[in-house]
Amino acid sequence: KAGVTQTPRYLIKTRGQQVTLSCSPISGHRSVSWYQQTPGQGLQFLFEYFSETQRNKGNFPGRFSGRQFSNSRSEMNVSTLELGDSALYLCASSSGTGPFYEQYFGPGTRLTVT
Amino acid sequence: DAKTTQPNSMESNEEEPVHLPCNHSTISGTDYIHWYRQLPSQGPEYVIHGLTSNVNNRMASLAIAEDRKSSTLILHRATLRDAAVYYCILRDHSGGSNYKLTFGKGTLLTVNP
Repeated sequence: KAGVTQTPRYLIKTRGQQVTLSCSPISGHRSVSWYQQTPGQGLQFLFEYFSETQRNKGNFPGRFSGRQFSNSRSEMNVSTLELGDSALYLCASSSGTGPFYEQYFGPGTRLTVT
Repeated sequence: DAKTTQPNSMESNEEEPVHLPCNHSTISGTDYIHWYRQLPSQGPEYVIHGLTSNVNNRMASLAIAEDRKSSTLILHRATLRDAAVYYCILRDHSGGSNYKLTFGKGTLLTVNP
């Protein structure tokens, strides 16, 4: 089985712009979660989608949003980019939602905001 | 969220066992103990999880203290590929929505050849 794929792998944006990141889960997986990783804050949970519905949300401002499509692919959008949004954005998929399902992570998208 | 405490770093030699400790003194009865690791330039990967009894899988063993206030991840024979940041995470299994993975700083494991 192919693993979780994320596109693009690297991205450079300017302050004030918006960005959309894409995640394709493992085939058959219906849950997709997004995380932000920075040297200062570490890995932080953004949100989780299951069957096109947001099931869980972390403590991030409304500039961070996401959605999931009927084929389970997910996108994450960040509007009005700030320098502090520079980070590695990781997507993880699992076959179900809830604590019993292990998560499989993709390689991440490295976003740099200048 | 119940918190975990791990050493910032540990060092091991190749082919020797490694014991990675984790303290979680405020663990609740519905918290499972999960371990993930993150190899350099990769996303995290699941290692193992348990509730009360010791657990084994092909990657590692998890030893859980009787009072559940601490646990130890055991790599039986470390290889260079095991060099990574290891995260000990408590995950709420009570049926609510608070089951998200909350990563701490983790332990950076260095394996010497």
